[in-house]
Amino acid sequence: AQSVTQLDSQVPVFEEAPVELRCNYSSSVSVYLFWYVQYPNQGLQLLLKYLSGSTLVKGINGFEAEFNKSQTSFHLRKPSVHISDTAEYFCAVERNTGKLIFGQGTTLQVKP
Amino acid sequence: GAGVSQSPSNKVTEKGKDVELRCDPISGHTALYWYRQSLGQGLEFLIYFQGNSAPDKSGLPSDRFSAERTGGSVSTLTIQRTQQEDSAVYLCASTLVSPSGDTQYFGPGTRLTVL
Repeated sequence: AQSVTQLDSQVPVFEEAPVELRCNYSSSVSVYLFWYVQYPNQGLQLLLKYLSGSTLVKGINGFEAEFNKSQTSFHLRKPSVHISDTAEYFCAVERNTGKLIFGQGTTLQVKP
Repeated sequence: GAGVSQSPSNKVTEKGKDVELRCDPISGHTALYWYRQSLGQGLEFLIYFQGNSAPDKSGLPSDRFSAERTGGSVSTLTIQRTQQEDSAVYLCASTLVSPSGDTQYFGPGTRLTVL
């Protein structure tokens, strides 16, 4: 069975500081990996995804993530956050079936 | 419309009543998904449609939950005899063609409150 663990439920950070949101997954087979963002009272929006190829994936709004197969991780990073990045972030895996398995989410709180 | 739409945006019902939630996917998208987001359980997959058929219903929590899709477009999620634990935000998503690795576009959700 697949599972996704987001190691931090909340991450407070000051504006313009770097941030890393951690995600680990367990799967015995290859998976596709996704990060979604959910702004207050809105649906989920794709930030980036890893399907194959280069392990460093760049997404929207200056976010990037690195796929590490040996550590089964897919951590999300941004070098300098803005107040507008305050939201909930979800890591998800999919094993060629379309069904997304989500982590519990990480709330990013950007402080001025 | 340009995105996935869901209706109603909010639904308050009494325990024991039936509810219907509607999802309009992006035009031309063949795959459609339902998820549930609740405080205790996080985001959970419910059911997946490819066209009008549902090859994966594994996430439906009980036989009180059912869903259908007609004309390869609109989908309805029906919850019979609602219980308080059904209170959640129900999200719908769609993808263009193949489900495998394709980006799922999510609607804004329907917030269901069962009193």
